[in-house]
Amino acid sequence: KAGVTQTPRYLIKTRGQQVTLSCSPISGHRSVSWYQQTPGQGLQFLFEYFSETQRNKGNFPGRFSGRQFSNSRSEMNVSTLELGDSALYLCASSLRRQGMNTEAFFGQGTRLTVV
Amino acid sequence: DAKTTQPTSMDCAEGRAANLPCNHSTISGNEYVYWYRQIHSQGPQYIIHGLKNNETNEMASLIITEDRKSSTLILPHATLRDTAVYYCIVRAENTGTASKLTFGTGTRLQVTL
Repeated sequence: KAGVTQTPRYLIKTRGQQVTLSCSPISGHRSVSWYQQTPGQGLQFLFEYFSETQRNKGNFPGRFSGRQFSNSRSEMNVSTLELGDSALYLCASSLRRQGMNTEAFFGQGTRLTVV
Repeated sequence: DAKTTQPTSMDCAEGRAANLPCNHSTISGNEYVYWYRQIHSQGPQYIIHGLKNNETNEMASLIITEDRKSSTLILPHATLRDTAVYYCIVRAENTGTASKLTFGTGTRLQVTL
């Protein structure tokens, strides 16, 4: 069974540009969550999508957005990039069944560098 | 979700058991204890989770105290590949935020020869 796939693995962008990152969840998983990891702030929750709807959102500015497609694949977008957006962006998928907790499986991440 | 406290770092000799403690004194009755680890520059990896009973799988054992205020992750025979940052996370059951994981700073486990 294939794991969570994130593309691209590495990305270099210039301040002011925008970027789109992609995540393909494990087959059958309908929940996709995004996290940002930086040396200073650690791993922080960005948002979660389930059935093409954003279900939860972390404390990030509106420049960070996402969407989920009918096949559960998800994209996140960061507009007007700032140097502080340089980070490892991680995607996690889970079954998210009603009435039970299910573990989240993470991808390898996309390393974004803003110059 | 309840807050967790973990030691910043620990060392363990290869082949020995690694016991990683976690305090979660404000845990609620419907909150599970989850453990993840992150090997350098990779995504976090799920290890194990439990509510109140001890749990064991092919990777590790989870011992939760009777009052559920603390737990210990046990890697029975640590290898160099177990060197990683280990995160203890407390997570509510089936709430609107069920899929949100709140990561702390974790414990950096160094396994040495």
